[in-house]
Amino acid sequence: EVQLVESGGGLVQPGGSLRLACAASGFTSSSYWMTWVRQAPGKGLEWVANIKRDGSEKNYVDSVKGRFTMSRDNAKNSLYLQMSSLRAEDTAVYYCARCAGNSCYFDYWGQGTLVTVSS
Amino acid sequence: DIQMTQSPSTLSASVGDRVTITCRASQSLSSRLAWYQQTPGKAPKLLISEASTLQSGVPSRFSGSGSGTEFTLTISSLQPDDFATYYCQQYTRYPYTFGPGTKVDVK
Repeated sequence: EVQLVESGGGLVQPGGSLRLACAASGFTSSSYWMTWVRQAPGKGLEWVANIKRDGSEKNYVDSVKGRFTMSRDNAKNSLYLQMSSLRAEDTAVYYCARCAGNSCYFDYWGQGTLVTVSS
Repeated sequence: DIQMTQSPSTLSASVGDRVTITCRASQSLSSRLAWYQQTPGKAPKLLISEASTLQSGVPSRFSGSGSGTEFTLTISSLQPDDFATYYCQQYTRYPYTFGPGTKVDVK
């Protein structure tokens, strides 16, 4: 059974940093692009970043470029999102998700982890 | 960036109704469009990819159509589990973008 479990969310002050993790199981994560999607409270979905199977290519939405870094450790079947210079508008539930095959629509999702940026 | 719009934003319906949601893109997507269903407090669930390919395990009352810039999601006979918010997503060009969502609620 494919499972994605996020961790690392919490309350952080503006300008602070946080590292999210996503543990993958039930499939060979190194065979898939992976992604982070976020959802601000009461709002819609926003794609944040994705990473190629071997970590050699990463793409980000403009609003997080230079502040967020996505990485992966295929030996540990894990994904990470290092977030720095956090802003109030980064407050959201962050989901990790699997990109299906060669296309980045998202066939499996984690349960999400809440990041709250507030003083 | 490719802008995605959905109509209506809210749709009130009854069990057994036929429901249609429209998604429009600011540029051609070919068929690179997915539909998701989300209920409160839960992660989105993939329903349809490539505009019309039903995912395994998704009931056949769901169907998708369209190409280019206009797409539709149809629920042929609304069931109690279908009251939810539906999002479309384009994956033809970065940044991937979602529509703002259509909430289907009880009439």
